[in-house]
Amino acid sequence: DAGVIQSPRHEVTEMGQEVTLRCKPISGHDYLFWYRQTMMRGLELLIYFNNNVPIDDSGMPEDRFSAKMPNASFSTLKIQPSEPRDSAVYFCASSRRRYQETQYFGPGTRLLVL
Amino acid sequence: AQSVTQLGSHVSVSEGALVLLRCNYSSSVPPYLFWYVQYPNQGLQLLLKYTSAATLVKGINGFEAEFKKSETSFHLTKPSAHMSDAAEYFCAVPSGNTPLVFGKGTRLSVIA
Repeated sequence: DAGVIQSPRHEVTEMGQEVTLRCKPISGHDYLFWYRQTMMRGLELLIYFNNNVPIDDSGMPEDRFSAKMPNASFSTLKIQPSEPRDSAVYFCASSRRRYQETQYFGPGTRLLVL
Repeated sequence: AQSVTQLGSHVSVSEGALVLLRCNYSSSVPPYLFWYVQYPNQGLQLLLKYTSAATLVKGINGFEAEFKKSETSFHLTKPSAHMSDAAEYFCAVPSGNTPLVFGKGTRLSVIA
């Protein structure tokens, strides 16, 4: 298996622009997670899905952030409009089950908002 | 809510020396505990996990961790550090509806 795939790997954009991050989970995994990693706040869970349905989005920082999972093999995290404080590394992860199961992480998208 | 605390944001050891990275959980005995490793510019990958089947858990790359209820700890150790062990290490635990909550991480440097 190719593992969790994320694109783009790097994104540089200007404040106010829309940013879309993409993720392809491992086939057969029912759970998909979006995390944000910063030096100040560490690794934060933003939202997670089960069978394409959002289960908990309490970690989404504000309305500028939205996530979708239109099918079992694709998810997007969108920021509109972007702000400099959104600069971070965004990870997607997937797992077979909710608890106990290993979460497999993608390589991340490094986002810089100028 | 359950959480984990990792003591020491940065640990530096000499090559061949013992590695000890500390993790303490906050409250009731968790059903599971995890250690993940993140190499530079990569995502996290599982190092080992505790599932109450055994208190001493062996992971990849010679790492192991021991669950100690009396100390609310799940410290990560490796007898002899290698240069390739330089990375950031995260302890994680399930908390409420959140499948995993991660500690702040400990960056391990290995000096030749």
